[in-house]
Amino acid sequence: AQSVAQPEDQVNVAEGNPLTVKCTYSVSGNPYLFWYVQYPNRGLQFLLKYITGDNLVKGSYGFEAEFNKSQTSFHLKKPSALVSDSALYFCAVRDPGGGNKLTFGTGTQLKVEL
Amino acid sequence: GAGVSQSPSNKVTEKGKDVELRCDPISGHTALYWYRQSLGQGLEFLIYFQGNSAPDKSGLPSDRFSAERTGGSVSTLTIQRTQQEDSAVYLCASTLGWGSYNEQFFGPGTRLTVL
Repeated sequence: AQSVAQPEDQVNVAEGNPLTVKCTYSVSGNPYLFWYVQYPNRGLQFLLKYITGDNLVKGSYGFEAEFNKSQTSFHLKKPSALVSDSALYFCAVRDPGGGNKLTFGTGTQLKVEL
Repeated sequence: GAGVSQSPSNKVTEKGKDVELRCDPISGHTALYWYRQSLGQGLEFLIYFQGNSAPDKSGLPSDRFSAERTGGSVSTLTIQRTQQEDSAVYLCASTLGWGSYNEQFFGPGTRLTVL
């Protein structure tokens, strides 16, 4: 069965500093990996995805993520955080051989402070 | 264009009552998903529709939960004899095409409170 782990419930970072939100996964085949962001009382918004190709994926709002197959990780990064980046971030995985459902992590609350 | 819409945005009901939640996917999207987001937990897959294929119901937590999708567009999630543990935000998402690499577009959710 596929699974996703987000080891940090909350990440705090100062505005202007780089941020990293961690994600590790477990699938039986090659993974399709996704990051979503959820603002208060809103649905999830797609940020970026890794399907194949370059391990560094660039997405919306200046976010990027690095796929590392040996470490089974897909950490979300941004070089310079903004207060407006404060939100709940979800990592998700789909096992191409396991149907079409997405399996989500439990989410990481990002708080960017002035 | 319009995104995924869901109604109602909030629903308060009494234990034992039935509720219906509605999802309007993005026009042209052939795949539709329902998820549940409970307080303190991640998102839990419930059911998936793709075109005219039989739905994947593997995530439905009990036989009190059912869903249908009429005409390949609008979907209704029905919860019968609601229980307090059904309280959650119910999210709908849609995807363009069959490919499992396509990102899902989510609606704003329906917040269900069972008293």
